[in-house]
Amino acid sequence: AQKITQTQPGMFVQEKEAVTLDCTYDTSDQSYGLFWYKQPSSGEMIFLIYQGSYDEQNATEGRYSLNFQKARKSANLVISASQLGDSAMYFCAMREGPGNQFYFGTGTSLTVIP
Amino acid sequence: GAGVSQTPSNKVTEKGKYVELRCDPISGHTALYWYRQSLGQGPEFLIYFQGTGAADDSGLPNDRFFAVRPEGSVSTLKIQRTERGDSAVYLCASSLGTSGRIGETQYFGPGTRLLVL
Repeated sequence: AQKITQTQPGMFVQEKEAVTLDCTYDTSDQSYGLFWYKQPSSGEMIFLIYQGSYDEQNATEGRYSLNFQKARKSANLVISASQLGDSAMYFCAMREGPGNQFYFGTGTSLTVIP
Repeated sequence: GAGVSQTPSNKVTEKGKYVELRCDPISGHTALYWYRQSLGQGPEFLIYFQGTGAADDSGLPNDRFFAVRPEGSVSTLKIQRTERGDSAVYLCASSLGTSGRIGETQYFGPGTRLLVL
């Protein structure tokens, strides 16, 4: 089974609008971390936001927030006030318990329309 | 401070040749990771170093792939007898290496795009 599932291959959003990128995960560990990365066309993975499994509050970083629903095993990324520079691939990733590697989803391509 | 750097940025080689990909992590980061990203996919884990030793190489696809980090800083991913299926972007990441810290972020380099003809 896939550890990270991103069901939206592509998304479009109007500039200045908010957009939600979906991510569901699969783990039997109680302790895990969820990460979102942005990958522009240049290829570099840019860290956006982190949510720990024991964190009670949803994580926020500027225009990025993470809608963490533990019972549903979902960790959706919300980008508010979209900008043209937000157009990129977005990857959800998970780190389990004592493990070191990240498991990545297949990504969502976001296009911001002027 | 400099981020993770990788060289070369692009590599074209012929089937059967040997290639080396280099990663220079963020200064002070003891943990180093290699991932492979095929077209249209997310990165897939290859190997993890803590210091000089390969702590987890479970993601290496076969024995043609090998990686070293002799002085605990720069790492080299080596691919022998390259095959067309090895064509991908090879990403390197580093992190502080604090043991057991779930939230420790991995910082990625720009990747090396390998094309095997």
